[in-house]
Amino acid sequence: EAGVVQSPRYKIIEKKQPVAFWCNPISGHNTLYWYLQNLGQGPELLIRYENEEAVDDSQLPKDRFSAERLKGVDSTLKIQPAELGDSAVYLCASSLQGIMGDEQFFGPGTRLTVL
Amino acid sequence: SQQGEEDPQALSIQEGENATMNCSYKTSINNLQWYRQNSGRGLVHLILIRSNEREKHSGRLRVTLDTSKKSSSLLITASRAADTASYFCATEQGGSEKLVFGKGTKLTVNP
Repeated sequence: EAGVVQSPRYKIIEKKQPVAFWCNPISGHNTLYWYLQNLGQGPELLIRYENEEAVDDSQLPKDRFSAERLKGVDSTLKIQPAELGDSAVYLCASSLQGIMGDEQFFGPGTRLTVL
Repeated sequence: SQQGEEDPQALSIQEGENATMNCSYKTSINNLQWYRQNSGRGLVHLILIRSNEREKHSGRLRVTLDTSKKSSSLLITASRAADTASYFCATEQGGSEKLVFGKGTKLTVNP
């Protein structure tokens, strides 16, 4: 069974440029998560989707970040414009139902460097 | 904000030794989970312990939970070089399915 797929794996951009990350969750998983992981830190949740509905986006900086999950499968996370402080690893995860105790499966992440 | 605090931040041991990592948290939880992250990779779920459980085993892993002290420990027995990774505890808080991760312990197992 394929795991969570993310692309690109690495991205280097100039500040003020836009950038987008793509995630394909495990087939059949209804819940999708985007996390931000800074160097030496644990992941922090940005947004959680139940099917195509964003049920928790309280930590998403909405002035520059946006996300969508069309048809409740793939998801895209966008930053526009990117700032130096956005350099981090962006992780996507999915789980079967998103209920308490549900195991989350993580993708390899996209490492973003903003110059 | 991060709920869990792992201790130590870094740990270096020899192959065959046991490794113990601790996690403390601040608020009441539904369950606590441990994840492993190899360098440059995503996180892998290791084990989940519910708030009404005190100890759980999975292969060479042993997890304990003390809700009165708001702390958990992860023991890896007979460590191998392949166990080299960062280990994170994550708590699922009361009334929420949201996972809150700690900063992690970086474990190095020397061959």
